[in-house]
Amino acid sequence: DAGVIQSPRHEVTEMGQEVTLRCKPISGHNSLFWYRQTMMRGLELLIYFNNNVPIDDSGMPEDRFSAKMPNASFSTLKIQPSEPRDSAVYFCASNPSGGTDTQYFGPGTRLTVL
Amino acid sequence: GQSLEQPSEVTAVEGAIVQINCTYQTSGFYGLSWYQQHDGGAPTFLSYNALDGLEETGRFSSFLSRSDSYGYLLLQELQMKDSASYFCAPGVYNQGGKLIFGQGTELSVKP
Repeated sequence: DAGVIQSPRHEVTEMGQEVTLRCKPISGHNSLFWYRQTMMRGLELLIYFNNNVPIDDSGMPEDRFSAKMPNASFSTLKIQPSEPRDSAVYFCASNPSGGTDTQYFGPGTRLTVL
Repeated sequence: GQSLEQPSEVTAVEGAIVQINCTYQTSGFYGLSWYQQHDGGAPTFLSYNALDGLEETGRFSSFLSRSDSYGYLLLQELQMKDSASYFCAPGVYNQGGKLIFGQGTELSVKP
């Protein structure tokens, strides 16, 4: 299996621009998670889906952030408009069973907002 | 509420044993996972404790005490490649596999 796939791997954009991050989970996995990692705040859960349905979006920092999972093999995290404080590494992870065991992380997208 | 504590940094020498402690307060606690992350990489799964006691996987062991809301990761025969960040991640029951991560512990292994 190819593992969790994220694109782009690096994104540099200017403040105010829209940013879309993409994730393809491992085939057959039921749950998908979006995380953000910074030095100051560590690894934060933004939102997660179970069977394509958003379960908990309490970690989404502001209305500027939105996430969708239109089907079992694709999810997007969108920031509009982006701000410099959104600069971070964004990880997508998937889990086969929806249980609290192994999550498989993608390589991450390093976002820089100038 | 949710809280999670683990040391921010630990330093040890090659060949030694190191223990990384984790205390948590997690509503609906279900189990405790440990993840490793090398600099510039993604977190990778190390170990999971659903029940009290010790789980051993090669050089790594993980322990859980539910009554004390406490766990630890034990790394034996330390190698330079073990230098990384280690995260304990309590799981929340019946919420589709939600894990609570924090700042992690940065382990530096010296020669």
